[in-house]
Amino acid sequence: LAKTTQPISMDSYEGQEVNITCSHNNIATNDYITWYQQFPSQGPRFIIQGYKTKVTNEVASLFIPADRKSSTLSLPRVSLSDTAVYYCLVGYSGNTPLVFGKGTRLSVIA
Amino acid sequence: DGGITQSPKYLFRKEGQNVTLSCEQNLNHDAMYWYRQDPGQGLRLIYYSQIVNDFQKGDIAEGYSVSREKKESFPLTVTSAQKNPTAFYLCASAAGTVSYEQYFGPGTRLTVT
Repeated sequence: LAKTTQPISMDSYEGQEVNITCSHNNIATNDYITWYQQFPSQGPRFIIQGYKTKVTNEVASLFIPADRKSSTLSLPRVSLSDTAVYYCLVGYSGNTPLVFGKGTRLSVIA
Repeated sequence: DGGITQSPKYLFRKEGQNVTLSCEQNLNHDAMYWYRQDPGQGLRLIYYSQIVNDFQKGDIAEGYSVSREKKESFPLTVTSAQKNPTAFYLCASAAGTVSYEQYFGPGTRLTVT
């Protein structure tokens, strides 16, 4: 399984754009990159998933460079409710379960 | 209203007792997963099942057991052999082999004293 590395924590003020970068140097050809969000005492929630270039949905954008060795989750204009832990995972739609690391703890400050 | 339910939300047990955590889904998903989360840590996989009557061990299966007799149900038993059972337990499901998009339940917080 490809190992991921992401910052342990980040702080941001409300209204700012937040970019969380994840490194996955050993990503395989058929691996997808997926991000989850987890609030305290809740299960993680799927945010976004991509394979290459850029993916955008109503919550976030995911930027993946051509070499796919890293990816960046972009949260536009964060609010206090975006304070959570964000996990970057790499895997594929096969029979190998995903591995959750410790994630990035984002704190949004008023 | 489709989703995953886990019960109970909080569970207290005495050391040496087995306890079973419930997980039910009505999403018609084939795959189901159990994770354990300790404070400030990520999720660790205990067991997973991709089809009824079949399941595989995850990274930390020792002291746990599961069954998958029905597609919608995947109960987890924490046995007395689990040395440090106090944790937050999360159940998830995924459609077929699309393991990268998992749907999680609300979790059960187990405290063993």
